[in-house]
Amino acid sequence: SQELEQSPQSLIVQEGKNLTINCTSSKTLYGLYWYKQKYGEGLIFLMMLQKGGEEKSHEKITAKLDEKKQQSSLHITASQPSHAGIYLCGALMGTSYGKLTFGQGTILTVHP
Amino acid sequence: NAGVMQNPRHLVRRRGQEARLRCSPMKGHSHVYWYRQLPEEGLKFMVYLQKENIIDESGMPKERFSAEFPKEGPSILRIQQVVRGDSAAYFCASSPPILNTQYFGPGTRLTVL
Repeated sequence: SQELEQSPQSLIVQEGKNLTINCTSSKTLYGLYWYKQKYGEGLIFLMMLQKGGEEKSHEKITAKLDEKKQQSSLHITASQPSHAGIYLCGALMGTSYGKLTFGQGTILTVHP
Repeated sequence: NAGVMQNPRHLVRRRGQEARLRCSPMKGHSHVYWYRQLPEEGLKFMVYLQKENIIDESGMPKERFSAEFPKEGPSILRIQQVVRGDSAAYFCASSPPILNTQYFGPGTRLTVL
């Protein structure tokens, strides 16, 4: 089983709709990162969360960290076609300084 | 400020040849990380390096793979005697000395024929 589980694995929404992607860890989190990847390209850093209850926003994307549940959620408000891509959560776990463990990714499609 | 640079972007090798992947970190970044993305397996950590030191190579296959980050020049991921199973996208990331945020390069897509 995955140390970092993302759900859903894929998501198709109509432009303008809100959506949420979840990332749940089986181990203690020491830092949670959200990245976006377009097919065939590199990862674009979105946000980093380190403290329980922390919430960060960038444009229409908001991410929260629930330390007790060892879970993070990424919420997109009023989705646009430009939001389409693969969203990956990555986490620092245990004492592996620098080693990011990634979830399997969520493929987001936004229909105009 | 240029981002993380990787070259080549695409590399084709025949079985048994060597592959050399290069990564230039962002300016001011002294930590480099290599990850591999296989089609059905997601993104996996391979190795973490600082200048002239390997900090964590727990994700690196024991044979044929090596990595270095010399005092001068880019970080190099070297794969000797490539096999078809090495075909993947290889990503490099870098971070500053203090913060842990890793910034990724565009990747090198290796195809082994």
